[in-house]
Formats: sequence, structure tokens, C-alpha cells
Amino acid sequence: QSVLTQPPSVSGAPGQRVTISCTGSSSNIGAGYDVHWYQQLPGTAPKLLIYANSNRPSGVPDRFSGSKSGASASLAITGLQAEDEADYYCQSYDSSLSAFSVFGTGTKVTVL
Amino acid sequence: VQLVQSGAEVKKPGSSVKVSCKASGDTFTLFSFSWVRQAPGRGLEWMGRVIPILATAIYAQKFQGRVTITADKSTSTAYMELSSLRSDDTAVYFCAREQGSSSSVYYFDHWGQGTLVTVSS
Repeated sequence: QSVLTQPPSVSGAPGQRVTISCTGSSSNIGAGYDVHWYQQLPGTAPKLLIYANSNRPSGVPDRFSGSKSGASASLAITGLQAEDEADYYCQSYDSSLSAFSVFGTGTKVTVL
Repeated sequence: VQLVQSGAEVKKPGSSVKVSCKASGDTFTLFSFSWVRQAPGRGLEWMGRVIPILATAIYAQKFQGRVTITADKSTSTAYMELSSLRSDDTAVYFCAREQGSSSSVYYFDHWGQGTLVTVSS
């Protein structure tokens, strides 16, 4: 079980706004470590969506935004589109595990 | 940048598998690379990383003693070898290029297409 907890699923109608939480602790997000987000479409490799909490790589629509506060981070998708239906993962570092990288449990976004 | 991985493998329990990840371009030694796996229907799991220019690797505690990650600078290829395979090692294995610095949390900006390793008797 991961040290970064995400809701198993979230859903929304086209055009709506959804948010995905990534809850950690004082040994990871709460210690100030950056959080990154990935989108994984069915049957494909993950794709970097947000890096360093709130930065979008070139080519990622501005409908995607990230934030961090305390021991949690969030990914928001505004103007939800059918093509956003995918799995989403947060990623950070955890000092208690001495793990270079830890991923969140993952969230399935369903577009109704 | 493209990361191209080797093809699917079917292995017997107790055997080993070695997966390759060839990077395009001439910047291989400027970056480090990680291996991440995903069991069927499950989430992403970080296994370890290699810094080609230093020829050093670190591994997740869970895989210590069973995984070896290496890099060949002459062919711009990273390798992940997993030994003593079990049925629960059945997964898609991804390589990923790391971006960031030692003062921040690295992230993965390019990924290979994934290699399915099936462990079955």
C-alpha cells in the first residue's frame, strides 16, 4: 500500500470540474517535497501532466492545474472532456522509506 | 527523445528476465533513468534507478537483492534484470527518463512503451 493516498475514482459530466486529492504525511508531501502528476490512458505508458506541484509541461492543456498545501496535493481538471477519461497518479519522495520515488494509489476519472 | 523497450517475455518461476530500454539522441549520459512496474489492474511501483555517467544504481527496498539496473553508455541503453521470478512479478515494466535535480524531487518526463513480463509455469 502506498504512502500517498488518492480516491479510487472520481467522475463528472463533460464541461464540469473535478479534483483529485493526494494525501501524504510529514515524511513526504508535508515535509515540503514536490508533487508531480501523471495521466495514464488505457493500455499506454504514463504521461507527465504536472511537475513541481503546479507546472505544466509544454503541450499539456491549461485545463489541468496542480496545487499543494500542507501534507496534501490536488489535481484539478476544468472543462472535463471525454478524452480525459484515464487513470491519474501523484508522485513524490518519502524520507521514511528512503525511497527515491513513491507513487500515489491512483485515481480513475470517468466522464459521464 | 524516445525510449524503446525490448519485447514481451514469458518466464518460468525462479528464472530471471532482463529488459532493455534504448534511448534515442546523444544525451544519454546527461540524464538518469528509473524503472517502474505495473501489475495487471494495479498502480505504479518504482523499482530503482541508474545514473549512467556514474554507473551507479539504487533500488527500492522491496526489490533489494533481486533487481539489478545497469546502463551501457556506448549504446545508450538501460537494463533492468529481475531474478527469482514469482507469479506476482507478472507486470508491465516501464523505463522512464528522470528530470530534476538533487535538491528537488525528480520526475519522469519521458517513458518507454512498456514491456509485459509474464511469469507462469
